Amino acid sequence: EAQVTQNPRYLITVTGKKLTVTCSQNMNHEYMSWYRQDPGLGLRQIYYSMNVEVTDKGDVPEGYKVSRKEKRNFPLILESPSPNQTSLYFCASSSFPPLRGDISTDTQYFGPGTRLTVL
Amino acid sequence: GENVEQHPSTLSVQEGDSAVIKCTYSDSASNYFPWYKQELGKGPQLIIDIRSNVGEKKDQRIAVTLNKTAKHFSLHITETQPEDSAVYFCAAKGTQGGSEKLVFGKGTKLTVNP
Repeated sequence: EAQVTQNPRYLITVTGKKLTVTCSQNMNHEYMSWYRQDPGLGLRQIYYSMNVEVTDKGDVPEGYKVSRKEKRNFPLILESPSPNQTSLYFCASSSFPPLRGDISTDTQYFGPGTRLTVL
Repeated sequence: GENVEQHPSTLSVQEGDSAVIKCTYSDSASNYFPWYKQELGKGPQLIIDIRSNVGEKKDQRIAVTLNKTAKHFSLHITETQPEDSAVYFCAAKGTQGGSEKLVFGKGTKLTVNP
């Protein structure tokens, strides 16, 4: 089954304690991305990766790090979490950039989400 | 870069009525417009999408229309059912730093009352 998995699904932590949220996809997608979802603000992109060892900042990258050592995995790292990083986080993947003329490759597949609370 | 505005932010309809959600985009070069449905406790899932060379696309009770000139696109759900209750996101594929990315609207919470 094609899917994007995230772990953990729920996490409560304290300010300053480093954490990693893992993301893995089994669709051999080149493109992976992290979003945070906050009430009234929708989905905002944190970081994205076009392929292995290629990562770039999204719209709200401050306080986050990512790495892309393998095609299937794209972990999100919070070196020193703060309460304003309390949010719902989603990982997504697609075969971006799309093959010309292939509509299906534009589809982004989302993981189930990780609800993070930083006290 | 691309900017997507979505309206309304909340929408409540009676079961069986139609629901319409509208989005506008800013980048005339955008050529792909997906709609996602997010149910409680789950990640967004693609429900329908449209490319800029098509004006309308339909899939059973859902349809999407695109007006390239006005730079707006809409989601239409007919004969709504309680299971249609969810948050809906529109998106447009724009460019950022020379690469392509999906830019999302802020979402519409749809409630279908039995």
